[in-house]
Amino acid sequence: AQSVTQPDIHITVSEGASLELRCNYSYGATPYLFWYVQSPGQGLQLLLKYFSGDTLVQGIKGFEAEFKRSQSSFNLRKPSVHWSDAAEYFCAVYAGNNRKLIWGLGTSLAVNP
Amino acid sequence: GAGVSQSPSNKVTEKGKDVELRCDPISGHTALYWYRQRLGQGLEFLIYFQGNSAPDKSGLPSDRFSAERTGESVSTLTIQRTQQEDSAVYLCASSSGLAGTLDFGAGTRLSVL
Repeated sequence: AQSVTQPDIHITVSEGASLELRCNYSYGATPYLFWYVQSPGQGLQLLLKYFSGDTLVQGIKGFEAEFKRSQSSFNLRKPSVHWSDAAEYFCAVYAGNNRKLIWGLGTSLAVNP
Repeated sequence: GAGVSQSPSNKVTEKGKDVELRCDPISGHTALYWYRQRLGQGLEFLIYFQGNSAPDKSGLPSDRFSAERTGESVSTLTIQRTQQEDSAVYLCASSSGLAGTLDFGAGTRLSVL
């Protein structure tokens, strides 16, 4: 069955520190993978996506993610976190057969000053 | 340009009452999704509209939930005889069709007393 797992429910980092949010997926075919961010009181915004090609993809706000087929992972990274990055982060895989996104449960990021 | 607009932003209702939530998608977006997000949880798919095709209603939790969309315009999600477990944020998203790339509204926060 198709699924997305985000192992970390909550992460706290200090401002300026590096960040890695984990995402593992289960999908039979070549996946389309996404990271979305939900800031407090707002809807979700697309950070970045992987369809094919270069396995390291760049997104908005200085984020990047790396697709590793052997590990079924698509981890999100940022070299230096800003206080405004505090938000909920969702990983998703596109299930093309029914045109739906399969969502992880999210990782809540807190940033200490 | 204008993003996805949802109204009302907040709705408080009494148990047993009907509520109607509205979504104005981005102009030209053929696909429209409704999701439910309970406190501290991920996104739960409710319904998907694609152009003039029959909607995918597979995520609607009960027959108290229904949704309509006229063509590629406004959509309404109706919850009849609301229950306390219906309390959640209801998110609408639209898409131009690029796989998995969604534009979200800010959501309607529904509280059933």
